[in-house]
Amino acid sequence: QQQVKQSPQSLIVQKGGISIINCAYENTAFDYFPWYQQFPGKGPALLIAIRPDVSEKKEGRFTISFNKSAKQFSLHIMDSQPGDSATYFCAASIEGTYKYIFGTGTRLKVLA
Amino acid sequence: DGGITQSPKYLFRKEGQNVTLSCEQNLNHDAMYWYRQDPGQGLRLIYYSQIVNDFQKGDIAEGYSVSREKKESFPLTVTSAQKNPTAFYLCASSVRTGQGPAFFGQGTRLTVV
Repeated sequence: QQQVKQSPQSLIVQKGGISIINCAYENTAFDYFPWYQQFPGKGPALLIAIRPDVSEKKEGRFTISFNKSAKQFSLHIMDSQPGDSATYFCAASIEGTYKYIFGTGTRLKVLA
Repeated sequence: DGGITQSPKYLFRKEGQNVTLSCEQNLNHDAMYWYRQDPGQGLRLIYYSQIVNDFQKGDIAEGYSVSREKKESFPLTVTSAQKNPTAFYLCASSVRTGQGPAFFGQGTRLTVV
């Protein structure tokens, strides 16, 4: 119940394409879903986050889609660029707590 | 510039030795965290601290110890009791307690030789 399952493990996308990373959770108490971006040798950085009262949140080229009934959420990177090549982690938490459950990460490579 | 500084970036330790990883933040954040990252796994919480002189164990605290004597500093000691210490260690902080990690340091890669 505490797992967050992330897929795919790796993803290769052509420049200008759409990158899609999916996460699924089981604990219906989760109410905060952030995404992190991590470049090699660096720490993760908070990218975008969503709460279950909305089905979509967009920030620039990054969009989170949230399906509460399916207990799934996904990150879409529009017009993917080589600079987006990084590892992306989803996470889930109960807002107001310190406890974040992280997915296993997706390594994205955008080809020039 | 505000941020989190972890040092050293790379650390080698002989088996049976304790080693301390440094984490300093100048963001004036109340909460600080230590995570461990292993290949193919999500980040796992080792310890977190909501306030000076207070800290709580996370999911994998065995073999680790921390202190929080100052708001800006949260060092992690990897003791000889940690059976598999080779990993990438990340320190993080957030503005207030109960918010989860918002900012991460660049990490320390610890290798036991």
